[in-house]
Amino acid sequence: AQKITQTQPGMFVQEKEAVTLDCTYDTSDQSYGLFWYKQPSSGEMIFLIYQGSYDEQNATEGRYSLNFQKARKSANLVISASQLGDSAMYFCAMREGKGGSYIPTFGRGTSLIVHP
Amino acid sequence: DSGVTQTPKHLITATGQRVTLRCSPRSGDLSVYWYQQSLDQGLQFLIQYYNGEERAKGNILERFSAQQFPDLHSELNLSSLELGDSALYFCASSPRQGVSGELFFGEGSRLTVL
Repeated sequence: AQKITQTQPGMFVQEKEAVTLDCTYDTSDQSYGLFWYKQPSSGEMIFLIYQGSYDEQNATEGRYSLNFQKARKSANLVISASQLGDSAMYFCAMREGKGGSYIPTFGRGTSLIVHP
Repeated sequence: DSGVTQTPKHLITATGQRVTLRCSPRSGDLSVYWYQQSLDQGLQFLIQYYNGEERAKGNILERFSAQQFPDLHSELNLSSLELGDSALYFCASSPRQGVSGELFFGEGSRLTVL
């Protein structure tokens, strides 16, 4: 079974609008961490945001926020006020403890295109 | 700049050859992870080292091997290369071993096997 599922291969958004990128995960561990990374066309992987399984508040980092719904096992990334520079691939990832030996597992990614 | 350095950035070689990819983690990070990113397989975990010792193994082929040296830099050796080995190879380091440790990635080494 897929540990991380990103169902949207591609998303389009108008500049200055908000966009939500979906991520669902599968784990039986109680302690785990969820991450989002951005990969621009240049190729590097950039860490965006982290959410711990025990965190009660949704994580936020500038224009990025993580909509964490534990019961539904979803960790959607919300980008507010999209900018042209947000066009990139976005990957959701999870680190889990004894089940996964803390090795980060990545989803297949979502390609985001921001239109002017 | 993530602080993780990978060399070379690009590499073109022929089938059957052997290459070595090099990685220097961020200062102070003891963990090094290697990932392979290809179009059909996504980002696949290969192997992890922690302070010089192999800590975890993923989908790493027997033709591939890695090590981490006392100065914490790591090398990934790919031998008997096949066309399907063409991919972007990432090295990443992490400041923490637990569930909260984010990965900091290098810029990757793009390998093309002809």
